[in-house]
Amino acid sequence: SYVLTQPPSVSLAPGKTARITCGGNNIETYSVHWYQQRPGQAPILVIYYDTDRPSGIPERFSGSNSGNTATLTISRVGAGDEADYYCQVWDSDNDHPVFGGGTKLTVL
Amino acid sequence: QVQLQESGPGLVKPSETLALTCTVSGGSISNYYWTWFRQSAGKGLEWIGRISARGNTNYNPSLKSRVTMSLDTSKNLFSLKVNSVIAADTAMYFCARSIDRGYSSTFDYWGQGILVTVSS
Repeated sequence: SYVLTQPPSVSLAPGKTARITCGGNNIETYSVHWYQQRPGQAPILVIYYDTDRPSGIPERFSGSNSGNTATLTISRVGAGDEADYYCQVWDSDNDHPVFGGGTKLTVL
Repeated sequence: QVQLQESGPGLVKPSETLALTCTVSGGSISNYYWTWFRQSAGKGLEWIGRISARGNTNYNPSLKSRVTMSLDTSKNLFSLKVNSVIAADTAMYFCARSIDRGYSSTFDYWGQGILVTVSS
């Protein structure tokens, strides 16, 4: 089964740029989706199909996917961005989603 | 704006059946795939399975023997049943809408979640 690897945590100061990675074998051949989940809340889709942003998601959120790594970039981070972030792809061979383990973003 | 709302009992006894419903408003259930997830405390998301508007299902192999999904287009809702529950089935359960493009699917609308505890 396909495996996605994320760093457990990322910490940075307010106003900086966060880059959260999602590693997978030849992940560039998959479409990668990203979710934000604040404590006690449901996930929110923030990036889909590698780079698309749903309506209502700030332009500060962007995505990229190349080689073995997909990246979620959040510019000018603030306290409101503190959350767990999950990457996801679809395993079409087995017809089910695959999620990364999640990255906890802390704004110092 | 599409909204999803889970409902059902928050406490289920071991060996009994967990039954949840997800009511969809602001859009028709007659398109898309409709999905159930769960998340144990402090853990990541676990996909339970999905059902299409036509009633076709895909289940997580690890739960397949105990899970049944159905939908009611007349009431714009879909449902989840998990049989023979154990303490490890205690989790927050989420319903979500799945959108497909090409060979990939993503989940664009989610319910707020419902906490289900398995305990006697």
